[in-house]
Amino acid sequence: NAGVTQTPKFRILKIGQSMTLQCTQDMNHNYMYWYRQDPGMGLKLIYYSVGAGITDKGEVPNGYNVSRSTTEDFPLRLELAAPSQTSVYFCASSYTHRSPNYGYTFGSGTRLTVV
Amino acid sequence: SQELEQSPQSLIVQEGKNLTINCTSSKTLYGLYWYKQKYGEGLIFLMMLQKGGEEKSHEKITAKLDEKKQQSSLHITASQPSHAGIYLCGADMRTNAGGTSYGKLTFGQGTILTVHP
Repeated sequence: NAGVTQTPKFRILKIGQSMTLQCTQDMNHNYMYWYRQDPGMGLKLIYYSVGAGITDKGEVPNGYNVSRSTTEDFPLRLELAAPSQTSVYFCASSYTHRSPNYGYTFGSGTRLTVV
Repeated sequence: SQELEQSPQSLIVQEGKNLTINCTSSKTLYGLYWYKQKYGEGLIFLMMLQKGGEEKSHEKITAKLDEKKQQSSLHITASQPSHAGIYLCGADMRTNAGGTSYGKLTFGQGTILTVHP
């Protein structure tokens, strides 16, 4: 039972390059989320999905895109990387929109540096 | 300013001491989650509070949600080095009780806890 798996763990991008951060979960969770974590700023929601084929913007969606073609996968696409996108990215999932006993399952994160 | 304020931002304690971390909002919290994060790792779920006045405990960690559902505290009794890490509160901050936030959480900025042996 792998939980939420994120790849890659680390990546250095040059300004203007593009990349896709992968996220997959094996728990049959309907809800999936992408957050970014900047030092001293907590986590900010980028995009979320309530099921396959359904996605919506979070608090900081600019510069990112997502898709949800299957229940398991929720990739995050960065187009034209900028230094402001240097951050740690976390993917999370949940079976329902409220999980009092188990919370949300988080991946181990992708540390991205844009130079 | 943050919608969800945590205090203190950092805390250094001697092993065996008790400590409290607070999470405060000006809005009603419809669900309050506490997570722990070790450096370079993901977030580990500790507990979730929903009802005003609710209190939950897990081993030496107790969390409470006040009656007005605008403040939560996390209390660690007899701290150990294994408690060290970053503690984050995350909240469902929908605008009214009848709606749904689809699980979107607003997070505080985190509290860095160091426990000296």
